[in-house]
Amino acid sequence: EVQLLQSGGGLAQPGGSLRLSCAASGFIFSDYAMNWVRQAPGKGLEWVSVISASGGTTYYADSVRGRFTMSRDNAKNTLFLQMNGLRAEDTAVYYCAAKRVGDYPFDYWGQGTPVTVSS
Amino acid sequence: EIVMTQSPATLSVSPGERATLSCRASRSISSNLAWYQQKPGQAPRLLIYAASTRATDIPARFSGSGSGTDFTLTISSLQSEDFAVYYCQQYKSWPPITFGPGTKVDAK
Repeated sequence: EVQLLQSGGGLAQPGGSLRLSCAASGFIFSDYAMNWVRQAPGKGLEWVSVISASGGTTYYADSVRGRFTMSRDNAKNTLFLQMNGLRAEDTAVYYCAAKRVGDYPFDYWGQGTPVTVSS
Repeated sequence: EIVMTQSPATLSVSPGERATLSCRASRSISSNLAWYQQKPGQAPRLLIYAASTRATDIPARFSGSGSGTDFTLTISSLQSEDFAVYYCQQYKSWPPITFGPGTKVDAK
């Protein structure tokens, strides 16, 4: 059974930091590019970042570039999102999502983890 | 950046009726279009990819069509479990991968 089990998140103050994790099982993690997608309360889906299957390439949405850093450990089948300089507008549920290499959509999604940025 | 739009924002349908949802891309994305279903408190679920290919275990009442800039998701006979928000997503030109704003399908 495919699973993306997320952890981390919670409450942070503006300017603070949080680290999200996403542990994969049931598929060959190193064959998939991984993404983070977020959803602000009552809003739609917003793509945040992607990391290549090897981990050598990352891209970020303009809204988080320079503040968020994505990484992966293929030996441990785990994905990370380090979030620094958090702002109120970063408040959202964050999902990790797996995408086959090439022109493919997001096959698998994590359960989501809430992040709240508030003083 | 490719901008995705969806219509209508809300679609009110009775069980057993046909539901037709539309998605438009700001420029051609060939067939690199996916549809996701999201229920409250749940992660999105992949329904359709490559514009018309059903994902694993997706019922045959869900079908997708279109190419280029205009796409349609059809639910042939709506079931009660199909009330949800539906998002389209382009994965032709990225970053960024972009989603439409969603269509909420609710009970008439």
